[in-house]
Amino acid sequence: GAGVSQSPSNKVTEKGKDVELRCDPISGHTALYWYRQRLGQGLEFLIYFQGNSAPDKSGLPSDRFSAERTGESVSTLTIQRTQQEDSAVYLCASSIGLAGGGGYEQYFGPGTRLTVT
Amino acid sequence: GQNIDQPTEMTATEGAIVQINCTYQTSGFNGLFWYQQHAGEAPTFLSYNVLDGLEEKGRFSSFLSRSKGYSYLLLKELQMKDSASYLCAVNGNYGQNFVFGPGTRLSVLP
Repeated sequence: GAGVSQSPSNKVTEKGKDVELRCDPISGHTALYWYRQRLGQGLEFLIYFQGNSAPDKSGLPSDRFSAERTGESVSTLTIQRTQQEDSAVYLCASSIGLAGGGGYEQYFGPGTRLTVT
Repeated sequence: GQNIDQPTEMTATEGAIVQINCTYQTSGFNGLFWYQQHAGEAPTFLSYNVLDGLEEKGRFSSFLSRSKGYSYLLLKELQMKDSASYLCAVNGNYGQNFVFGPGTRLSVLP
């Protein structure tokens, strides 16, 4: 079946512009996660959606970052007034979440490489 | 707070065995995961431990000790394609987000 997809795969934007990143999770996966990965570094948690519950936004680095998800479908991560330090790969992952049994392994999308010039 | 530690880099020889350690301190525990990430690619799932002991899956095994907050990933019969970063991640509480460690970059030499 189809895996997690993300678009665009690459995005180059000028400092100060807004960008919107999209994630299509695996069908039936109730949990969706956004991470940021700077070059050569580990995954930095940004936000977590579980079904229709209120999202866990504790990882968002500033109020310039926001994310939405409608039900158990597509999610968009928006970065307003981009800064050069926002340059990174943004990874989306989905998992069965609370609907499944234990061991909620995450399936990752290919990521969006964001470059802010 | 939540903290996960792993060695930054490791080097091993093709055909050898390597053990990558992970220690964690989290508020709650609902499982520990290991992921493999090749350069420029997304992480892929390797293993999951929620009970103490060893889980074996082919050339890869993962061990967990909850009382010690410790896990390791054991890779046997190393191959060149095993050169990658290995990420340890903990699901702190049921239904909550994951915390990833910084990753261990493994280089397999001929």
